[in-house]
Amino acid sequence: NAGVTQTPKFQVLKTGQSMTLQCAQDMNHNSMYWYRQDPGMGLRLIYYSASEGTTDKGEVPNGYNVSRLNKREFSLRLESAAPSQTSVYFCASSARDGVWETQYFGPGTRLLVL
Amino acid sequence: GENVEQHPSTLSVQEGDSAVIKCTYSDSASNYFPWYKQELGKRPQLIIDIRSNVGEKKDQRIAVTLNKTAKHFSLHITETQPEDSAVYFCASPSGYSTLTFGKGTMLLVSP
Repeated sequence: NAGVTQTPKFQVLKTGQSMTLQCAQDMNHNSMYWYRQDPGMGLRLIYYSASEGTTDKGEVPNGYNVSRLNKREFSLRLESAAPSQTSVYFCASSARDGVWETQYFGPGTRLLVL
Repeated sequence: GENVEQHPSTLSVQEGDSAVIKCTYSDSASNYFPWYKQELGKRPQLIIDIRSNVGEKKDQRIAVTLNKTAKHFSLHITETQPEDSAVYFCASPSGYSTLTFGKGTMLLVSP
């Protein structure tokens, strides 16, 4: 099993450009998450999908949109990138189904917005 | 929503010493408390978790204790080794499917 995979690993954008971060998991997990990690700020939830067909906002959703394409895939889109979106983005998934289970993280995408 | 406070933000110990990281949470209904370890440039990975029906859980050199009355839980690492150097995050549920993470503790173990 590959676990949770993310593409791309690194990206440099100019202010105003758009891009989509891709995430896929092969563990048949119901729940998927997008976090951003900034120095001293921990992991902050952007959006999540508790099950296929549903998405909900997290703590810091402004400037982002998501799509749960199917049970395996959950993408994050930046429509008009801003320097404040420079961060490391992690996707995660969990079996969460009535009982708390481990969240497994992807390797991360390092994004720089100039 | 849930508020998770984590202390200290940095911790330096000598190899072989013990390290303790503490987190407090605000929602008395929270019932699951995981700890994640993130090595430099890597992804966070679960190292131990505790559910609210127990007060302590151990796994070799690491242990987690939970005090539901005071709403805090702690990570204990004994006989620290250089490979324990990393950032450690605690977390607590903030909804049916979501966790709120603490801001992290950078642990440095010096040989």
